[in-house]
Amino acid sequence: KAGVTQTPRYLIKTRGQQVTLSCSPISGHRSVSWYQQTPGQGLQFLFEYFSETQRNKGNFPGRFSGRQFSNSRSEMNVSTLELGDSALYLCASSLDRAGDTEAFFGQGTRLTVV
Amino acid sequence: AQSVTQPDIHITVSEGASLELRCNYSYGATPYLFWYVQSPGQGLQLLLKYFSGDTLVQGIKGFEAEFKRSQSSFNLRKPSVHWSDAAEYFCAVAPRRGSTLGRLYFGRGTQLTVWP
Repeated sequence: KAGVTQTPRYLIKTRGQQVTLSCSPISGHRSVSWYQQTPGQGLQFLFEYFSETQRNKGNFPGRFSGRQFSNSRSEMNVSTLELGDSALYLCASSLDRAGDTEAFFGQGTRLTVV
Repeated sequence: AQSVTQPDIHITVSEGASLELRCNYSYGATPYLFWYVQSPGQGLQLLLKYFSGDTLVQGIKGFEAEFKRSQSSFNLRKPSVHWSDAAEYFCAVAPRRGSTLGRLYFGRGTQLTVWP
């Protein structure tokens, strides 16, 4: 069974540009969440999608947005990039199941803003 | 507000020694509890989880964790550490929401160094 796939693995962008990251969840998983990981702030929750609907959102500016498609694949977009957006972006998928569920993480996309 | 505390930023142990990584959480009700491990430049791998039942849970790679409700703790242990265990370890909690997992709240992580 394939795991969570994130593309691309590495990205270098210039300040002011925008970027789109992609996440393909495990087959059958309808919940996808995104996290930002930085040395200074640790792992911070961005948003969660379930069946194409945003179910939860973290405390990030509106420059950060996401969406989920009917096949559960998800994308996140960051517009007007800032140096501080440099981070490892992790996607996780989960199979919502009462009493026994867990989040499976992808290997992440390393974004560097220069 | 929910919070997860991992008081040890960095721990160094010798190979073969025992290990305990601490985790305390602050939440109104007992949440779902998890330990993840992360190798450099990689994603997070689940070591073990606690949902209910036996408060001592077994995970992969010889790890175990004990949930103590009275202390709001979920400490990770391993009786004998291997050099390959060197990594960063994250404790995480998720509020109980029926069948949905929802967002995870992470601790700041504990970096484990293993001396040969």
